[in-house]
Amino acid sequence: AQSVTQPDIHITVSEGASLELRCNYSYGATPYLFWYVQSPGQGLQLLLKYFSGDTLVQGIKGFEAEFKRSQSSFNLRKPSVHWSDAAEYFCAVGPYSSASKIIFGSGTRLSIRP
Amino acid sequence: DAGVIQSPRHEVTEMGQEVTLRCKPISGHDYLFWYRQTMMRGLELLIYFNNNVPIDDSGMPEDRFSAKMPNASFSTLKIQPSEPRDSAVYFCASSATSGSGELFFGEGSRLTVL
Repeated sequence: AQSVTQPDIHITVSEGASLELRCNYSYGATPYLFWYVQSPGQGLQLLLKYFSGDTLVQGIKGFEAEFKRSQSSFNLRKPSVHWSDAAEYFCAVGPYSSASKIIFGSGTRLSIRP
Repeated sequence: DAGVIQSPRHEVTEMGQEVTLRCKPISGHDYLFWYRQTMMRGLELLIYFNNNVPIDDSGMPEDRFSAKMPNASFSTLKIQPSEPRDSAVYFCASSATSGSGELFFGEGSRLTVL
């Protein structure tokens, strides 16, 4: 079955600390992977995406993610978080160019400790 | 581009009343999606359209829910009659076939049914 697992429901990190949010997927075909961010009261915004090529992808707001096929993972990282990064983060997987089949994870809520 | 526009942003109504949520997708996008987000169930795909035609409504919870897309720039999601368990944030998103499959979300409509 196709699925996306975000094992951490809620993470709290100190401002300035590094961040890693975990994402594991199960997908039968070549996956197209996304990270979206949802700030409070807002819709989801695309942070970054990966389909092929360099397995380390850069996104907006200083985020990056690394695709590891052997581990079926696509973890999101940021070297130094800012208070404005407090939000809900969703990992998603789907086939290329077919938004109707995108599967979302359950999300990880990130809190920032001053 | 103005992005996906949803209205109203907030709606409070009483059980049994009709609710209509509206969405204007990004110009040129040929896919439109309606999602529902709750704490318990996360992000659920309710229905999606391609070129104004409903393709898959298997996520619509029951017959009280209906969606239309009379033209490329407008869609509605209607709940009649509404019930307290319909309280959620409803998101509209659009996507382009010519794109890579990423979704562009509106800011959502927060519905509270008393």
